[in-house]
Amino acid sequence: AQSVTQPDIHITVSEGASLELRCNYSYGATPYLFWYVQSPGQGLQLLLKYFSGDTLVQGIKGFEAEFKRSQSSFNLRKPSVHWSDAAEYFCAVGPTGTASKLTFGTGTRLQVTL
Amino acid sequence: DVKVTQSSRYLVKRTGEKVFLECVQDMDHENMFWYRQDPGLGLRLIYFSYDVKMKEKGDIPEGYSVSREKKERFSLILESASTNQTSMYLCASINLPYGYTFGSGTRLTVV
Repeated sequence: AQSVTQPDIHITVSEGASLELRCNYSYGATPYLFWYVQSPGQGLQLLLKYFSGDTLVQGIKGFEAEFKRSQSSFNLRKPSVHWSDAAEYFCAVGPTGTASKLTFGTGTRLQVTL
Repeated sequence: DVKVTQSSRYLVKRTGEKVFLECVQDMDHENMFWYRQDPGLGLRLIYFSYDVKMKEKGDIPEGYSVSREKKERFSLILESASTNQTSMYLCASINLPYGYTFGSGTRLTVV
């Protein structure tokens, strides 16, 4: 069965510092991979996705992620974090089954200090 | 843009009440999902539907049921609400390869 691991529950970075959030997945075929962001009290917003082609994908808000098949990883990066990036970030993999389910990680909460 | 609308942002219900959470999407997607989100547990799939009147159990269906009478609407039903169902509930529809589009969520408190 597919699974997603986000090993960091909570990360704190200073504003202006670089950021990397880790995501490892287990999947039996070529995956679709996603990163979502959730601000407090809100639903989840898609940051970026990978499903084929260039392994470095660009997303919204200056985020990027790199698909590394050999490491089963899809880490999210940002060169310079802004205070507004404080949120919870979820990695997801899929699709599976009739309804194309996605499997989500348990999330990484990002705190940004000024 | 796809819109997924959840009818209530906040709900407070009493133990034992029957609760309906409504979700509507406007892009003719076939596949819709209900998740609950709890701190430290991430998103857990309750039920999903891949067509009208079709439904399948997710990972934590106990205490819940669903209804999909029309393609655009997917309802989550708590047959007899309990305090352990206090949670954030998120509805989503999927449009591969673009992934899920989520609603804004319903924060349900059962007292």
